[in-house]
Amino acid sequence: GAVVSQHPSRVICKSGTSVKIECRSLDFQATTMFWYRQFPKKSLMLMATSNEGSKATYEQGVEKDKFLINHASLTLSTLTVTSAHPEDSSFYICSASSESGGEQFFGPGTRLTVL
Amino acid sequence: EDKVVQSPLSLVVHEGDTVTLNCSYEVTNFRSLLWYKQEKKAPTFLFMLTSSGIEKKSGRLSSILDKKELFSILNITATQTGDSAVYLCAANLPEYGNKLVFGAGTILRVKS
Repeated sequence: GAVVSQHPSRVICKSGTSVKIECRSLDFQATTMFWYRQFPKKSLMLMATSNEGSKATYEQGVEKDKFLINHASLTLSTLTVTSAHPEDSSFYICSASSESGGEQFFGPGTRLTVL
Repeated sequence: EDKVVQSPLSLVVHEGDTVTLNCSYEVTNFRSLLWYKQEKKAPTFLFMLTSSGIEKKSGRLSSILDKKELFSILNITATQTGDSAVYLCAANLPEYGNKLVFGAGTILRVKS
């Protein structure tokens, strides 16, 4: 089956720093990648959708200058949380979809803790 | 506004019981409905349903979609403690390349 990896799996940082999270599709080309945020005991909330080579589409209420998304290749997308604050602490999950199907394959997630 | 509603929100059963999880949706441009199981990390894929009335099965799990009633169910028979998880359903929308709208999830706990 399709495999999606995320790195790092866990990060702890100080308030004000920026954190970059990588999402890679390991065995297929992902024309579309999605970034989700999940709070404890809550469902996944879509933050943005990115297509390779074009600007990401952000969901309402998500600050694009705060959460920078780059989808530079068909196997890599990055999410950078800029000037992180404690309220940005959350579980961030990416998923990837190939052109051929509607199924999304999820990465293992990154737990961000901002002190 | 696109929305997906799951019920019940949580459920506690004993090993061997059969459970039915519900998912209703109100979305524009519906393409398919997906079920995921989430334990401690990211969701793992269970089923994708695109046609009404065709049951999909995988071991003790099965699922079916009713596109007229905008509804899907996930059945788990002979439950085991390893089935304890959050079960998420999501509606797949063709806009922006297969965007998913998730329900809040059903927390299932299977007691031994």
